[in-house]
Amino acid sequence: KQEVTQIPAALSVPEGENLVLNCSFTDSAIYNLQWFRQDPGKGLTSLLLIQSSQREQTSGRLNASLDKSSGRSTLYIAASQPGDSATYLCAVRPTGANNLFFGTGTRLTVIP
Amino acid sequence: DAGVIQSPRHEVTEMGQEVTLRCKPISGHNSLFWYRQTMMRGLELLIYFNNNVPIDDSGMPEDRFSAKMPNASFSTLKIQPSEPRDSAVYFCASSTGQYNEQFFGPGTRLTVL
Repeated sequence: KQEVTQIPAALSVPEGENLVLNCSFTDSAIYNLQWFRQDPGKGLTSLLLIQSSQREQTSGRLNASLDKSSGRSTLYIAASQPGDSATYLCAVRPTGANNLFFGTGTRLTVIP
Repeated sequence: DAGVIQSPRHEVTEMGQEVTLRCKPISGHNSLFWYRQTMMRGLELLIYFNNNVPIDDSGMPEDRFSAKMPNASFSTLKIQPSEPRDSAVYFCASSTGQYNEQFFGPGTRLTVL
C-alpha cells in the first residue's frame, strides 16, 4: 500500500521568505501527484498536479517538483505572504487506480 | 461552475440515529469520491464511483456505512446507526478527463453525541 509522508508537520516563517515543503512516497508506480491547500474548517483547494512524466509544474509563486525514482516531491513557495498560512497536503495517485493517498500535511504559518 | 456541493455543512446527531450526507459533483465529471478526515488518521478514501458505478468500496469501515449514486449529479453517504467514532469531516470530490485532477467540496462536519 502506498504510504505518503510529509515533513515537517509544522513550519513557521517570516513574511517574504522562500520555503520548501517536502513529500515522500513509498511506491514509485504513480500516475500523478497533486498538491492541495486546506484552510481551517474548509475543504481542499487543488494547487498543482504533476503527471508522472513531468518533472515540475508552476503556478504563480508556487513550483512543485517530482522525482518519481526517489519517491519525492517538493512544493516551493516564493516570497511567502500571511495569506499563504494553511495546511498543505500532497496526494499520490497510484498507477491504475483512481483514488488518492494523502500525506498528513504540513501546517504553514507565515508571520507578518 | 459552482464546484462540488455538499450538504449539510454541519450535522450534529445522537448515537444510533441515521445520518445522510449529500453530494453534487461538478457537471460533466464522471468520477466521484467520498473521503473521511480525522485528526488521528488524516484523509482516507471511503468509496469511489465511476460513471455512477461503485468501483472500490474497500475503505468503507463497516456495514453501517453505505453509499449510492443514482445518477451523474447526485450521491449520498449514509451511516445507520451512527456512533460517536464516526465523528469526522466527510468530503466529496469529483474528477474527469485524462489528468484526473480531483476537486473537493467544502465537507460535512459530522458530530455524533
